[in-house]
Amino acid sequence: DGGITQSPKYLFRKEGQNVTLSCEQNLNHDAMYWYRQDPGQGLRLIYYSQIVNDFQKGDIAEGYSVSREKKESFPLTVTSAQKNPTAFYLCASRDRDYGYTFGSGTRLTVV
Amino acid sequence: GQQLNQSPQSMFIQEGEDVSMNCTSSSIFNTWLWYKQDPGEGPVLLIALYKAGELTSNGRLTAQFGITRKDSFLNISASIPSDVGIYFCAGCSKGAQKLVFGQGTRLTINP
Repeated sequence: DGGITQSPKYLFRKEGQNVTLSCEQNLNHDAMYWYRQDPGQGLRLIYYSQIVNDFQKGDIAEGYSVSREKKESFPLTVTSAQKNPTAFYLCASRDRDYGYTFGSGTRLTVV
Repeated sequence: GQQLNQSPQSMFIQEGEDVSMNCTSSSIFNTWLWYKQDPGEGPVLLIALYKAGELTSNGRLTAQFGITRKDSFLNISASIPSDVGIYFCAGCSKGAQKLVFGQGTRLTINP
């Protein structure tokens, strides 16, 4: 079955460390997205990519970086410059009718 | 930029009651989508709407694409405990690269 896989489900980071969250899709979708969700809050767009080797900043890109070297993969790096990284991170890909398919998320905690 | 106003922000109902929530946009949309998010998981697409005035059902869920193309409604009939979660509306205009999401409606059901 096609879908999006995010890993790991839970991630712990020490202060000052970079961490990379994985997002892989086998839906053959061109566009992929990263969102951040804080407790009780909505979805805020971090970065998105419409095509391989191209990506754009979303509303809260500071302290994050991405790459899109393969159509299937869109990893997100949370850098030490992100001052409040503890959150739930969601990856999504988009079909031609604008329906997003989301992964099951990664919960990042700074310890 | 485009904004979505989703209401209510939260609902506390008794099992068996009907539920209504809505979203309004500051601009015209060509696509409206409704998602449900269970705790600790990614949102899942419930209903997609592509035409003004369209009324679409998915089991006990019914959603409508407003005739003005600036609003959408989601109704849940005869609520059950598994309906608990956060419901998000999302929309986009023609040619848009990304969806705009509402802030979510948190549904709590008392048995």
